[in-house]
Amino acid sequence: AQSVAQPEDQVNVAEGNPLTVKCTYSVSGNPYLFWYVQYPNRGLQFLLKYITGDNLVKGSYGFEAEFNKSQTSFHLKKPSALVSDSALYFCAVGGVGGGNKLTFGTGTQLKVEL
Amino acid sequence: DGGITQSPKYLFRKEGQNVTLSCEQNLNHDAMYWYRQDPGQGLRLIYYSQIVNDFQKGDIAEGYSVSREKKESFPLTVTSAQKNPTAFYLCASSIDLSSRGTQYFGPGTRLLVL
Repeated sequence: AQSVAQPEDQVNVAEGNPLTVKCTYSVSGNPYLFWYVQYPNRGLQFLLKYITGDNLVKGSYGFEAEFNKSQTSFHLKKPSALVSDSALYFCAVGGVGGGNKLTFGTGTQLKVEL
Repeated sequence: DGGITQSPKYLFRKEGQNVTLSCEQNLNHDAMYWYRQDPGQGLRLIYYSQIVNDFQKGDIAEGYSVSREKKESFPLTVTSAQKNPTAFYLCASSIDLSSRGTQYFGPGTRLLVL
């Protein structure tokens, strides 16, 4: 079985400061890792994914994530947070061992304050 | 949200009533999915379909039914057997069923019980 953990329900950051949203995973075989963002009463928007290759993945809106195989982590980062980044962020994992389905974390609410 | 439409945005269900949520995509994707989102629980997979006239149960299929008569359409029926239907329902699609592929989400339907 595959699983995802987002250990923080909420992350608070001041605008202009760097932000990190944490994600760890468990899956058999090679992982496929995704980050999505959700604004209130909206669907999920794709930010970035790791399939293979470079461990640092760059995505939309200045976000990036680093795949760390030894720590089974895929933390989402941004060098300088904006108030408009405030939203709910989901990490997801897939893999052949998971029957080609994605498993989503419970989400982390990011709040960026002035 | 582009390319996937869901209707209605809000849906009210009376006790004992079946209701159908619409999902349409114009991305020419083969695979389509239905997820249920509850606060603090992330997304849970209800049903998914790889191809027309074929669909599979996800993790929480009880009380739900689907059909896939056309490639672009994947309606979800919430039956009276679903005792706790209040949730936010999200439809998604991807090029194929591989978990390497990015899933793209619709704007969601919020189902409320009267």
